[in-house]
Amino acid sequence: KAGVTQTPRYLIKTRGQQVTLSCSPISGHRSVSWYQQTPGQGLQFLFEYFSETQRNKGNFPGRFSGRQFSNSRSEMNVSTLELGDSALYLCASSPTAGGKADTQYFGPGTRLTVL
Amino acid sequence: GNSVTQMEGPVTLSEEAFLTINCTYTATGYPSLFWYVQYPGEGLQLLLKATKADDKGSNKGFEATYRKETTSFHLEKGSVQVSDSAVYFCALSEGTGGFKTIFGAGTRLFVKA
Repeated sequence: KAGVTQTPRYLIKTRGQQVTLSCSPISGHRSVSWYQQTPGQGLQFLFEYFSETQRNKGNFPGRFSGRQFSNSRSEMNVSTLELGDSALYLCASSPTAGGKADTQYFGPGTRLTVL
Repeated sequence: GNSVTQMEGPVTLSEEAFLTINCTYTATGYPSLFWYVQYPGEGLQLLLKATKADDKGSNKGFEATYRKETTSFHLEKGSVQVSDSAVYFCALSEGTGGFKTIFGAGTRLFVKA
């Protein structure tokens, strides 16, 4: 089975622009979560989708948004980019509805650089 | 709120040395605990997990025991290899109504031949 794929792998944008990142979960997985990884803040939870509904949201400003399509693919969007948005954005999928013992499978990430 | 604290790195060891990476947590309920590993240029992979007190998770020679009395989940390996060089993340999930995993800051491990 193919793993979680994220596109693009690398992205360079300038301040003020917006960006859309894409995540294709493992086939059959319905839960998709997004995380931001930076050297200073570590791994921080952005949001989670299940069956096209956002179920959980982290403490990020409204510039960060996401959605999930009927085929479980997910996109996240960041508007009005700031230098501090430079990070590795990780997507994770799970076949289950999200019990505390359930496993998430991570993609390789999209490296976003904001200049 | 919930949080995870793990020892700062980097940790540098010689091959075949004993490894311990400390992890403690704060949680309001009864979370599951996880160790993930991230190799250079890759995403996170689940290394092991434990879902209740006194459970021991193990995989690839790594072990960690869920200690409720000390709120700890320390990662250990008896004999590390160069291929174990990576960043290790301790994490917890209370997972009611979906995923919202809380990660520690990560500990980078270097193993020298």
